[in-house]
Amino acid sequence: DAMVIQNPRYQVTQFGKPVTLSCSQTLNHNVMYWYQQKSSQAPKLLFHYYDKDFNNEADTPDNFQSRRPNTSFCFLDIRSPGLGDAAMYLCATSRASTGGVDTQYFGPGTRLTVL
Amino acid sequence: GNSVTQMEGPVTLSEEAFLTINCTYTATGYPSLFWYVQYPGEGLQLLLKATKADDKGSNKGFEATYRKETTSFHLEKGSVQVSDSAVYFCALTQGAQKLVFGQGTRLTINP
Repeated sequence: DAMVIQNPRYQVTQFGKPVTLSCSQTLNHNVMYWYQQKSSQAPKLLFHYYDKDFNNEADTPDNFQSRRPNTSFCFLDIRSPGLGDAAMYLCATSRASTGGVDTQYFGPGTRLTVL
Repeated sequence: GNSVTQMEGPVTLSEEAFLTINCTYTATGYPSLFWYVQYPGEGLQLLLKATKADDKGSNKGFEATYRKETTSFHLEKGSVQVSDSAVYFCALTQGAQKLVFGQGTRLTINP
C-alpha cells in the first residue's frame, strides 16, 4: 500500500544534541510537510517543500531545518533541541498542481523526548 | 484570514449514542473541508472530505455535509462505538498548500 513512513516512531535525545527525523513516501507526491504537535493541540506547520522549493513558516525557529534530497524522502533536523521541542512531529504529503492542492496524507508521527 | 472553530471538548458518550461534533469555518471563496481523526499515539488519518457546497463526505459511518449558507461542516455518526474514541480535527484548505485546523475535539465512548 502507498503510504507515508516516519522513522523512528520514538526518539530520545539530550538537551542540545542534534537530532534528525526521517520521512519517506511511496505516494509520489510533490509536496511534503513537517508539523509539530504538542499535547492536546492541533498540528502546527513548520515548513513544506513544493517539489524542491523550500517554504518556511514565519514563526518557525531557526533551530529547525529540513532537507529533501529526492521526491521520496524528507528530513527534519533539530540543531540544538531544547526541552520545549519535545513533541510529536508529523510528516504529511500531498499532490499539488496548477489547479490547487489535493488532500494531505499524514505519517504515524515521531514522538521526540528531550532529556 | 481563514479559520476553523470546533465544538469544545472533551465529549463523552455511551456506546450506540448519536454523535455530533460542530465545526464552522471562515474563508473567502470555496475552501475544501476535511475531518481528520487521531487515535492515541498515532498520526492523523483522513476521515472524510468535501470539496464543494452541498457535498457530503462519508466514511466508516461518519458523515459531514458542506453547508455554504451556514459555513459549517458538522461531523455526525448515528451509533458510536468504543473504538471511535479519538481526537477529531476539522480543517480546511483553499488553493494554497496549507491546512488550517480547528483546535480538535477529544471524544471518549464508554461501553
